[in-house]
Amino acid sequence: DAKTTQPPSMDCAEGRAANLPCNHSTISGNEYVYWYRQIHSQGPQYIIHGLKNNETNEMASLIITEDRKSSTLILPHATLRDTAVYYCIVRVVRNTDKLIFGTGTRLQVFP
Amino acid sequence: DAGVTQSPTHLIKTRGQHVTLRCSPISGHKSVSWYQQVLGQGPQFIFQYYEKEERGRGNFPDRFSARQFPNYSSELNVNALLLGDSALYLCASSSSPQGPGELFFGEGSRLTVL
Repeated sequence: DAKTTQPPSMDCAEGRAANLPCNHSTISGNEYVYWYRQIHSQGPQYIIHGLKNNETNEMASLIITEDRKSSTLILPHATLRDTAVYYCIVRVVRNTDKLIFGTGTRLQVFP
Repeated sequence: DAGVTQSPTHLIKTRGQHVTLRCSPISGHKSVSWYQQVLGQGPQFIFQYYEKEERGRGNFPDRFSARQFPNYSSELNVNALLLGDSALYLCASSSSPQGPGELFFGEGSRLTVL
């Protein structure tokens, strides 16, 4: 199963863009990249997902490299409420549908 | 619309006891998955059920079992509890096991084993 690698922590000033990198060099062609975040050990909150193309929604943008070995989650205007642990995940959907979590990036947004 | 609901939210057990955790998926979702999250780590996959059939199992001992009911709700059972079973147990549901699409998590059941 493909694994992801993320920096353990990052800081970002409020109002600035937060760019969270993720490496998934062993990802297979039919595996999706998902991003979730978790605040204070609540349930993980879905942010965005993608396969090959860049994606954007009301929360964030996802940039996936052409070789699909890495991606970047962009929070365009970080707020204090965006302080959380962000997980970059490969979703394996073969016989089993499962998310493979890494250790995540702890994003601290400061005033 | 109600999201994924889990019960109980918190519970304390002693070593050797048994625990049952419950999950109600989002209405219309037929796939339910269970994850264990130990403090300081990312969630780990335990089970996935779809249409009452087990579709997958993570690297957990046979003390862990689960089932899905006709209404698609699910139970996770853990026998002979160990201190290391202390964790946040998360349930997630999705409309289809084939993806893609969103997979929604509940707020979890926090189990403490003394």
